Amino acid sequence: QSVLTQPPSASGTPGQRVTISCSGGSSNIDSNPVTWYQRLPGAAPKLLMYSNNQRPSGVPDRFSGSKSGTSASLAISGLQSEDEADYYCATWDDSLYGWVFGGGTKLTVL
Amino acid sequence: EVHLVQSGAEVKKPGESLMISCKGSGYTFTNHWIGWVRQMPGKGLEWMGIINPSDSQTRYSPSFQGQVAISVDKSISTAYLQWRSLEASDTAMYYCARHNRVTSSRWLDPWGQGTLVTVSS
Repeated sequence: QSVLTQPPSASGTPGQRVTISCSGGSSNIDSNPVTWYQRLPGAAPKLLMYSNNQRPSGVPDRFSGSKSGTSASLAISGLQSEDEADYYCATWDDSLYGWVFGGGTKLTVL
Repeated sequence: EVHLVQSGAEVKKPGESLMISCKGSGYTFTNHWIGWVRQMPGKGLEWMGIINPSDSQTRYSPSFQGQVAISVDKSISTAYLQWRSLEASDTAMYYCARHNRVTSSRWLDPWGQGTLVTVSS
């Protein structure tokens, strides 16, 4: 059972906009910025978003992030086939003094 | 460019010991903590623990406390994840990742390529 809650799956057709949610609690999402990771099939996780809505260099601006209270979300606009991957939210937990992850959302591009 | 390179895949029997490694390059190794993350087959990411390479202080997830040991040799910019007695349930992919922090903002980047550990009799 993951500390952060994500939907197990999401889907969309090319060009569509999809949103992935992530909910947590007062000691994690409410207290610390949220990060998102993309894990393409057969690859290691890659940082997709940090500080709730900051994209690392090289991440397309089709990806955006937001946070409000104990929830965060990742939005992908102009969906492309290469976006098909597993997406994980994560943040620091002040009670645990460590990282907590969501269970991951498998994005399928139909 | 910053890289974390992990040791290769391992196949072990239950009860055997194992140490896998994660070598950092392209940055000052002692300036960033290193974390370890497990991904069991078909499952999500789980944080195992973290180490400060400058003083070797560690912090473990309660789920992994006592089950694994994290260490570091800063002279060769390498972090380690060790098991004294493997179980079949330790079969998983293990990733290391560099922990970055600016004030209250933290992120894990980059990640190592992963080390697949298979424990089977």
